[in-house]
Amino acid sequence: QVHLHESGPRQVKASETLSLTCSVSGGSITSKDHSWAWIRQPPGKSLEWVGSFYYSGHTYYNTSLQSRLSISVDTSKNEFSLTVTSVTAADTGMYFCAKSPIHCVGDNCYFRNLFDSWGQGTLVTVSS
Amino acid sequence: FMLSQAHSVSESPGKTVTISCARNSGSIASNYVQWYQQRPGSSPINVIHEDNQRPSGIPDRFSGSIDKSSNSASLTISGLAPEDEADYYCQSYDNYNRVIFGGGTRLTVL
Repeated sequence: QVHLHESGPRQVKASETLSLTCSVSGGSITSKDHSWAWIRQPPGKSLEWVGSFYYSGHTYYNTSLQSRLSISVDTSKNEFSLTVTSVTAADTGMYFCAKSPIHCVGDNCYFRNLFDSWGQGTLVTVSS
Repeated sequence: FMLSQAHSVSESPGKTVTISCARNSGSIASNYVQWYQQRPGSSPINVIHEDNQRPSGIPDRFSGSIDKSSNSASLTISGLAPEDEADYYCQSYDNYNRVIFGGGTRLTVL
């Protein structure tokens, strides 16, 4: 069973850069069967998708956040990271990493866009 | 597009409750809908995927459906138990793999 674990600073100053890492165990982030995602949740609010990627290089970002986002992968450590630049108080919240299955028909593979495993989340507070 | 959910719903133990998720543009049938349960202080758990499929380990008291006439999806929980008290989120995506979550519905089991 795949386990995901988020790590990173609990507090970031406004206008600075937030960097979080998701460590994956029990499965490979280069697996053809899965894509990976970041999802966040402001305190007391709903879930918000941040972005997803597939090991082959396909990456999709939330349009409203795209200009400040980057998702990178370290296959040697079996982990992936999220970077958010120029953070504001609106970036405060719980950040989750998650796994999503891929559906392949022959050589064509499709994101199924459902999240079947989640990390426990890490709370990030942006301070002024 | 957006997904809209009622803010809260309450029902008694043993009863059946339905939580709805309305899509404001485009057909609800265009892209699958998933449902997640999130208990306080916990990560979300997928309880229904691809409109009406139940992951292994999820009780058959949980079921999902879509209604093209109302352009909405529904999560139905029968035989309500105290442990069903949680926030429930619907989720779908567009043709560019951009994921959308509903605002969430808080279920209280009285």
